Parts: sequence; structure tokens; C-alpha cells
Amino acid sequence: EPEVTQTPSHQVTQMGQEVILRCVPISNHLYFYWYRQILGQKVEFLVSFYNNEISEKSEIFDDQFSVERPDGSNFTLKIRSTKLEDSAMYFCASSDYARAGTDTQYFGPGTRLTVL
Amino acid sequence: AQKITQTQPGMFVQEKEAVTLDCTYDTSDQSYGLFWYKQPSSGEMIFLIYQGSYDEQNATEGRYSLNFQKARKSANLVISASQLGDSAMYFCAMREPAYSGAGSYQLTFGKGTKLSVIP
Repeated sequence: EPEVTQTPSHQVTQMGQEVILRCVPISNHLYFYWYRQILGQKVEFLVSFYNNEISEKSEIFDDQFSVERPDGSNFTLKIRSTKLEDSAMYFCASSDYARAGTDTQYFGPGTRLTVL
Repeated sequence: AQKITQTQPGMFVQEKEAVTLDCTYDTSDQSYGLFWYKQPSSGEMIFLIYQGSYDEQNATEGRYSLNFQKARKSANLVISASQLGDSAMYFCAMREPAYSGAGSYQLTFGKGTKLSVIP
């Protein structure tokens, strides 16, 4: 069964460093998303991406964040200068064309980012 | 204001019994979708079940069913015949329409309910 994959599973970085989180969405999906979950809290939307551009973004997704689809399979989230409060689990998700009844977002296993 | 409310931080259920996890939502849109996800201790988010706002019948997927009461804006998850492997966090989420015209959308999640299945 197709699935979303994410690498690395755990990333430790120093405050101020840049990190790139990588995702491979399900191959025939067209819509891609990043969410984050701070430990013990609910999952929060960061950004959605379609047709090589950002569709929607939340208040969390400030200038420190960027997304890219560098090739036909990868989808990346870059944090330019990490802060302690960026420590969280980051989930990538993808969905098929958003036709009614099938617009389910499938999540990857997550990358746990720890900023020291 | 909370768009998705899950009032039960934790629930216990005896193995093989049924359990209902509550979810209420707030939206003024006519078209929306409701989802339940399971998050085991390993951390991944597993899609369980979907209910569209125009669906006339309650969604079912194996041992999972969704008790959808549109007028009350509730979408409770019912797990029948609980198993030890059902112990996890359960999140209710709502699809919010994107007005950018691109067709993509975001999910808004509740705070989750931690279900513990007792042998």
C-alpha cells in the first residue's frame, strides 16, 4: 500500500542552524502539507502546496520557513534559523485531487526535531 | 474559539467492549469533512475514518463507525470490540475549505483523547 515517507526520523540541531526535513508523498497525489505537533499538544497546520506553489499557510509559517518540491518525488520543509520553540514533531501529508468524499490526507511517520 | 472540541482527555475501556470518543465541531460552512486519526505511542498519524457533511449515512470502516449528528455538530467515533492495540491517542479533525481557489485545504485538529484498553 502506498505511503508517505519522511526522513530523518529524528533530527537534533543547535539553535540558529538550518534544517531541511524531507518527505516523499504518495506518488499520484497532488496536494502536499506540513503540520507540526509540539510535545503533548495538538497537531497544527503549517502550509499546503499545490502546483508548485503555496496554497495556504498559517501564522506559524513565517519567513523562517520555506517549502520546495525540488524534483518529482520529494517535498521539503526548510527552517532557516531554528529556535528552541521549533522543537516538535513535523508531519508531512499528501492527498489526491480534492474530489468530494476522497480528500483524505495521509500522513507520514513524522520527523522529531529537537533544537538545543 | 475552538473549532474542534474533544472533551475527554483520557478514556479507559475493557478489552472487547465498545467505546465512544466524543468530538464536537464549529463551522458555518455547509461543506466540510470530518476525520479521525489514531496516533500510537510510536508517533505516526493513522487515518481511520471520514465523514462528509453531505453524507446521509454514518461512515463505517471495520470496527470503526462515526456517529454523525449534524444538527448537534457532533462526530463521535465508536470503536467496537476494543483490542489492546487500540490503545493510542485519537484525534478528531475538520477540513476547512481553502478560499484561495487552489483546491487544497487544511485540517484543524482537536486536542485528542488518550484511549487505554484494559485487558
